Amino acid sequence: NAGVTQTPKFQVLKTGQSMTLQCAQDMNHNSMYWYRQDPGMGLRLIYYSASEGTTDKGEVPNGYNVSRLNKREFSLRLESAAPSQTSVYFCASSQTPTATDTQYFGPGTRLTVL
Amino acid sequence: GENVEQHPSTLSVQEGDSAVIKCTYSDSASNYFPWYKQELGKRPQLIIDIRSNVGEKKDQRIAVTLNKTAKHFSLHITETQPEDSAVYFCAAPFHRGSTLGRLYFGRGTQLTVWP
Repeated sequence: NAGVTQTPKFQVLKTGQSMTLQCAQDMNHNSMYWYRQDPGMGLRLIYYSASEGTTDKGEVPNGYNVSRLNKREFSLRLESAAPSQTSVYFCASSQTPTATDTQYFGPGTRLTVL
Repeated sequence: GENVEQHPSTLSVQEGDSAVIKCTYSDSASNYFPWYKQELGKRPQLIIDIRSNVGEKKDQRIAVTLNKTAKHFSLHITETQPEDSAVYFCAAPFHRGSTLGRLYFGRGTQLTVWP
């Protein structure tokens, strides 16, 4: 039982390049989330998927797109990376979409945009 | 996020002393308050949570207290040890018309425990 996994662990991009961050969970959770973590800013929600087939914007969605590929997988895409997107990205999952349900985090992806 | 304020941003204590981190929230409908610990380079992990039907919850050396009237909650760590050194995040739901709500995180407290 691996929990929540993310790939890659590290990535360096040039401005304007695109990439997709992958996330998978094996806990049969219905809801999945993408956060970014910047120094002194805590965890900010980018997008979330309450259940398979649905996605919604969070606090900071600009510059990102997401795909809920199936119940297990939720990907985050940067179409044209910008230096402001340099951050650590965490995927999380929970059994239900209610804010009172425990969220379990993946190990994170450290992204640098030059 | 703006819906959850966390203080202090940094906290240094001597091993064996107690540490207290405080958070305030804005949504009076909030009813769930988790605390996450993040060690350097690792993922955030839930260490304790409290629901609004109780005022205090303890788990060994850690405890969380909740004051719904004042809309604040606190994490208390007693007999601190060097391995308690980490960033701690509080969180609270914000509903804004949605029955599901979204979890908003505080900006974190870097706790350092000196041996």
